[in-house]
Amino acid sequence: GAVVSQHPSRVICKSGTSVKIECRSLDFQATTMFWYRQFPKKSLMLMATSNEGSKATYEQGVEKDKFLINHASLTLSTLTVTSAHPEDSSFYICSAQTGGGGAFFGQGTRLTVV
Amino acid sequence: AQKITQTQPGMFVQEKEAVTLDCTYDTSDQSYGLFWYKQPSSGEMIFLIYQGSYDEQNATEGRYSLNFQKARKSANLVISASQLGDSAMYFCAMRYQTNAGNNRKLIWGLGTSLAVNP
Repeated sequence: GAVVSQHPSRVICKSGTSVKIECRSLDFQATTMFWYRQFPKKSLMLMATSNEGSKATYEQGVEKDKFLINHASLTLSTLTVTSAHPEDSSFYICSAQTGGGGAFFGQGTRLTVV
Repeated sequence: AQKITQTQPGMFVQEKEAVTLDCTYDTSDQSYGLFWYKQPSSGEMIFLIYQGSYDEQNATEGRYSLNFQKARKSANLVISASQLGDSAMYFCAMRYQTNAGNNRKLIWGLGTSLAVNP
């Protein structure tokens, strides 16, 4: 299947700082990427849809100024958690959509804000 | 509205036996896709199997098969010859076309935790 790389896999940051998470499609071009948040023992919660060359579409209740998404190329989307607080601690995972409609996931990023 | 239901929060199976994980869905769309993913404790989401709504044959991928019953709107995952490494969370998801452009989102079930006993 298609390969999606997400980096970093784990990050610990201080409250008030910003953290950038990268999602790359390694062997295909992804015009659309999705960013999810997952709480422990819960299902995935879609945060936003990232489209190359245009603004991201955020789901209801997700603060766009808090979670900045940039999809600068067909192989890279980034999620920046700005002014992180302990309640932002979570597992964040991206997926990239192939031309055929398949959805392949990165390894996920476990963010801890202290 | 689209909906995915996984009614089994947890399942146990003996090693080498087969297990069925249930998934039902609701949609008014004619064209949709159904996915199963495995999520081990490491957190990564591993694609297992896909079934398109127009596919007449049940999808199979190695030890995984999808029992697709369109009239009943069910897409159960069958894992044959369970292995200890199959212990993980399993999520059923449905891809549907959104009203906005060509984005095709996935809607997710709550997952089933599978434990394979030696």
